[in-house]
Amino acid sequence: DTGVSQDPRHKITKRGQNVTFRCDPISEHNRLYWYRQTLGQGPEFLTYFQNEAQLEKSRLLSDRFSAERPKGSFSTLEIQRTEQGDSAMYLCASSQDGNQPQHFGDGTRLSIL
Amino acid sequence: LAKTTQPISMDSYEGQEVNITCSHNNIATNDYITWYQQFPSQGPRFIIQGYKTKVTNEVASLFIPADRKSSTLSLPRVSLSDTAVYYCLVGDMNGGATNKLIFGTGTLLAVQP
Repeated sequence: DTGVSQDPRHKITKRGQNVTFRCDPISEHNRLYWYRQTLGQGPEFLTYFQNEAQLEKSRLLSDRFSAERPKGSFSTLEIQRTEQGDSAMYLCASSQDGNQPQHFGDGTRLSIL
Repeated sequence: LAKTTQPISMDSYEGQEVNITCSHNNIATNDYITWYQQFPSQGPRFIIQGYKTKVTNEVASLFIPADRKSSTLSLPRVSLSDTAVYYCLVGDMNGGATNKLIFGTGTLLAVQP
């Protein structure tokens, strides 16, 4: 068990470009969560999956954001037409089910030039 | 979801016991109390979780009074490597709930030699 893995760890891109992040949860964890964290703040919930079903999305998740978990294993988070305000750490977490604690990856740090 | 209040920062010295108290006056019946630790450029790491009385693991102890309106995370004999931000969260651990985590700004613990 290698924990939650996120790729890439860092991404620098120009405003207006599209970016995609990947999260590999702990094996056999049914739930997968995405959070966003800006400097000096705690993580903020974006969305979560139960297996392949996306069950809740935060209002923070604008139309430019889309997340998928096609086979109930890994997940991707895509941001289209990036803006300066998208600069943040994007964290992924997984849990076995709703009764168990969430375990986080080390995030993808996105910097928009 | 219940909000939490915790000190913004705390200072300690190596070898001391550190107690971080969190207030959660509006905690609901189904809510559990969870603590996470976060180092710079890493994701939050689960420390401990409890519902009432006392919980202890190899890393910390969690004390919860009978009214559950507060909780105290106790770190025995801290070292320099315990310098981090500590988050207190409360949330519904019912398996059917989203169980999205609501983070505050946490407590920055600084351990000095």
